Amino acid sequence: DTGVSQNPRHKITKRGQNVTFRCDPISEHNRLYWYRQTLGQGPEFLTYFQNEAQLEKSRLLSDRFSAERPKGSFSTLEIQRTEQGDSAMYLCASSLGGVDTQYFGPGTRLTVL
Amino acid sequence: QQQVKQSPQSLIVQKGGIPIINCAYENTAFDYFPWYQQFPGKGPALLIAIRPDVSEKKEGRFTISFNKSAKQFSLHIMDSQPGDSATYFCAANRNTGKLIFGQGTTLQVKP
Repeated sequence: DTGVSQNPRHKITKRGQNVTFRCDPISEHNRLYWYRQTLGQGPEFLTYFQNEAQLEKSRLLSDRFSAERPKGSFSTLEIQRTEQGDSAMYLCASSLGGVDTQYFGPGTRLTVL
Repeated sequence: QQQVKQSPQSLIVQKGGIPIINCAYENTAFDYFPWYQQFPGKGPALLIAIRPDVSEKKEGRFTISFNKSAKQFSLHIMDSQPGDSATYFCAANRNTGKLIFGQGTTLQVKP
């Protein structure tokens, strides 16, 4: 257990529904990252926050995706109008700074039917 | 554009063997190269990391070799054990913090 928690661990939804995932980072970490991992691939960067500011978003993050970190603590990732291609493991990581070790949570497995 | 290429895709060794996983990168601005280990259903966990000012780093049974001129780095696992069976990912980043991962290597260590 790295100290990064994610909820829910599994989510099954129907195409077109909205889903929201939560990440609780290690408490003193000011950086929080979201990645997406599909089967047999390495994690792909989606977005990251320093405190409450969202500093970078990947081109993978379409306008159906939105992420927040309202008080610089936990973060949420929302996917609107889910598509089957959104099925993946969504990973959250946190670090003390930009070049420090990123500690990953266990992930949220999303299945879109 | 794939910025970190990892090989082989899969690897089978006998217990006690020394599996070697290789990665190559393109962006010379990368300055941090970690290796992560991932078990099924779990998030990646940091194994060992290196910066380009050194050519080798050892932590326990894990060694990273780094060749800056060739833009390549590799992971060696000494005296491999069945418990080392997992997927291994190399990664790279700049001071932005965003990690670029390789495609992963599935390692099986036979008893």
